[in-house]
Amino acid sequence: DAGITQSPRYKITETGRQVTLMCHQTWSHSYMFWYRQDLGHGLRLIYYSAAADITDKGEVPDGYVVSRSKTENFPLTLESATRSQTSVYFCASHSGPTPKETQYFGPGTRLLVL
Amino acid sequence: AQKVTQAQTEISVVEKEDVTLDCVYETRDTTYYLFWYKQPPSGELVFLIRRNSFDEQNEISGRYSWNFQKSTSSFNFTITASQVVDSAVYFCALSEGLNAGNNRKLIWGLGTSLAVNP
Repeated sequence: DAGITQSPRYKITETGRQVTLMCHQTWSHSYMFWYRQDLGHGLRLIYYSAAADITDKGEVPDGYVVSRSKTENFPLTLESATRSQTSVYFCASHSGPTPKETQYFGPGTRLLVL
Repeated sequence: AQKVTQAQTEISVVEKEDVTLDCVYETRDTTYYLFWYKQPPSGELVFLIRRNSFDEQNEISGRYSWNFQKSTSSFNFTITASQVVDSAVYFCALSEGLNAGNNRKLIWGLGTSLAVNP
């Protein structure tokens, strides 16, 4: 019954450091997504993946890297963190390619870049 | 282009009042889905409802009801007899239709922050 989990839940880092946010889902969903949530901007899509080894950019991909070697995991890496990447990051997943699919979200990771 | 507008940024009501959160969407697709999510102060995003473009029947779930009107491209959410626990940010979202192929993404509104005061 784990669903979708994210780790860490909270992270403080410094400008220039590499940070990886983990996302794991137990449903074997094909599609996975990374969003960032900032005041005034709502939810913005960073990257998404339709299946293992298939990833694509969303609205705000700059400064982020993703990989999807296994269906259940979709890590998000900030290669060189900047203050503007301070945000709350949500991972989500759904099972299929049709528009009816409901996205289910992880609990979020609060990231502070000093 | 697809777009979701939640014109109400913040709403404040007193407990037991009814409140309606507006959602207006734009799409060229004939097949699409609309969603509402709730984000309580604890921060998680909770799925509330999904509605497809071919079903204009209103939906009721306890104190929550949804009014979908294709003629006005709206999918409004009403909370009857609001409670303090309803305080949250509510997001409306649109799923791109069949033309999206593998690019299955949600188009999100910016959310409406609802404060229900005792």
